Amino acid sequence: AQSVTQLGSHVSVSEGALVLLRCNYSSSVPPYLFWYVQYPNQGLQLLLKYTSAATLVKGINGFEAEFKKSETSFHLTKPSAHMSDAAEYFCAVSDLTNAGKSTFGDGTTLTVKP
Amino acid sequence: GAVVSQHPSRVICKSGTSVKIECRSLDFQATTMFWYRQFPKQSLMLMATSNEGSKATYEQGVEKDKFLINHASLTLSTLTVTSAHPEDSSFYICSAINAGGSDTQYFGPGTRLTVL
Repeated sequence: AQSVTQLGSHVSVSEGALVLLRCNYSSSVPPYLFWYVQYPNQGLQLLLKYTSAATLVKGINGFEAEFKKSETSFHLTKPSAHMSDAAEYFCAVSDLTNAGKSTFGDGTTLTVKP
Repeated sequence: GAVVSQHPSRVICKSGTSVKIECRSLDFQATTMFWYRQFPKQSLMLMATSNEGSKATYEQGVEKDKFLINHASLTLSTLTVTSAHPEDSSFYICSAINAGGSDTQYFGPGTRLTVL
């Protein structure tokens, strides 16, 4: 069984500040890990993914995440927040045997203050 | 590329009626599609896995007779909510996997269902 825990249901940062959204996973097999962003009343957009290649993954909109096996973590970061980054962010885990079927975390709402 | 559409984007219906939601992969073939529901301020809950040409696989606790899924072609899956009730009101999201082999789901924009 796989699971994802997103630490912090709400994160608030000032515009220009570092964004850090935390995600820890549990998986009995090598995981595939994903970060998605969701704007109100829209579907999910893939930000980035880890599929056993480089541990530091760069995604769209300036986001990146680092896979740390020893910590079972896949935290999402962005050096400088923009107002347009305000949204809901979901971390998800799947695996090689069922790559398309993911388990999602509860989500983190990011607020960006001017 | 890899665009998934859903129709309708929003639907309001009376209790007891049935509602059909379409999920289409516009520029790729999808052997597998997934249906999720999302309650306000909550995460996505997988309802079922839809495979082209075969019966859908439902997650535990999801009524297959209430949520009918049909995946008749490589680009279309439909979810029909039968005899809808107010508690079925939710945001329904589909996703699709490229038939060429992929580890990535491509999500539709979602359908907001409100049952009066």
